[in-house]
Amino acid sequence: TQLLEQSPQFLSIQEGENLTVYCNSSSVFSSLQWYRQEPGEGPVLLVTVVTGGEVKKLKRLTFQFGDARKDSSLHITAAQPGDTGLYLCAGVPVATLGRLYFGRGTQLTVWP
Amino acid sequence: NAGVTQTPKFQVLKTGQSMTLQCAQDMNHEYMSWYRQDPGMGLRLIHYSVGAGITDQGEVPNGYNVSRSTTEDFPLRLLSAAPSQTSVYFCASSPTYTPSNQPQHFGDGTRLSIL
Repeated sequence: TQLLEQSPQFLSIQEGENLTVYCNSSSVFSSLQWYRQEPGEGPVLLVTVVTGGEVKKLKRLTFQFGDARKDSSLHITAAQPGDTGLYLCAGVPVATLGRLYFGRGTQLTVWP
Repeated sequence: NAGVTQTPKFQVLKTGQSMTLQCAQDMNHEYMSWYRQDPGMGLRLIHYSVGAGITDQGEVPNGYNVSRSTTEDFPLRLLSAAPSQTSVYFCASSPTYTPSNQPQHFGDGTRLSIL
């Protein structure tokens, strides 16, 4: 079983569309992170959300941490081909502070 | 700025062979970890270390050993390679003893095939 469930697994959209990716768990997390990974490279951190209910914006990307600190979402407005990549959520459960767990990822493809 | 350096980048082994994947960081980070990435599985934690001399198991530790004799280096050893260990392996590091709220710095990965 996966501690962090991401959905959808694949997303293929046209340039200009909006999209939301979800990251859910039954566990409580001290924080949740979102990474983006390009082919042949390691993941790169986009954002860390720490407080329940927190909303962070990074240009066209909006990240939200659930009030109960068990889930998070990533919303992209007016997607561009440069947004194409694998988006991964990751978190450290409050019960195991030494372990960072990743979701299975959402493969996003944005067509021109 | 080298960051996290993994070697080799590619490796092909035969079943039963042993090998060591190298990971070095030059940022004086306390926390280091190893993940494997398989299609559709995201990244799964193999082993991690909160500082020199201290290591612990992650989600999928069987068949792998680690040691942390220095702050900089965190090698991953495959004792007797099996085809199920074919994967892309990533090493990561972060500044403090816990990865919580800390950005993970990843290497570029080692692509390992076991025949």
